[in-house]
Amino acid sequence: SQQGEEDPQALSIQEGENATMNCSYKTSINNLQWYRQNSGRGLVHLILIRSNEREKHSGRLRVTLDTSKKSSSLLITASRAADTASYFCATANDYKLSFGAGTTVTVRA
Amino acid sequence: EPEVTQTPSHQVTQMGQEVILRCVPISNHLYFYWYRQILGQKVEFLVSFYNNEISEKSEIFDDQFSVERPDGSNFTLKIRSTKLEDSAMYFCASSEQGASTDTQYFGPGTRLTVL
Repeated sequence: SQQGEEDPQALSIQEGENATMNCSYKTSINNLQWYRQNSGRGLVHLILIRSNEREKHSGRLRVTLDTSKKSSSLLITASRAADTASYFCATANDYKLSFGAGTTVTVRA
Repeated sequence: EPEVTQTPSHQVTQMGQEVILRCVPISNHLYFYWYRQILGQKVEFLVSFYNNEISEKSEIFDDQFSVERPDGSNFTLKIRSTKLEDSAMYFCASSEQGASTDTQYFGPGTRLTVL
């Protein structure tokens, strides 16, 4: 399976702190995508990084990809209470995404 | 901003009944997908659909499941005879190009409860 696996499973931080979560996967990928899910809601796309890219930024988000280690990281800087959610990495092949179990992030005010 | 929509938001059905979950993908997208998420578990791929054909399906997508694009805008998932274990959140997604190159945009989901 190509599935991404996130680490840690849960993360609790103070507002204003940075949150870092990691994703590892098993096989070669075309791209890797990060999604956010608020409790009981839909999946919101955050960022896509292609296999030939090493780093990507979007606002307060920074994603890295190391294909030699088959791993990716998502950094959220200056966290806010609204960032409280579950974050998933998903690896892509031609026809589907394979999701990991996610990291639950709680940002304390 | 265009978005994927799904109806209904919540469907309650009796075991053995047929259900149809509806999705309206983003209008210029060509690739369509269904995923599901059982409460507390991972999001799981069910099926991908392109050019009026199934591109790939998972082991979950057995003969009880079918997909259809009945017109130019809707994309449906039918479960012929629901089981208790079909209770889950079902997400529709679409992308302009294939999954290997493009972002998939997800709808808000339909929560299916099978009693």
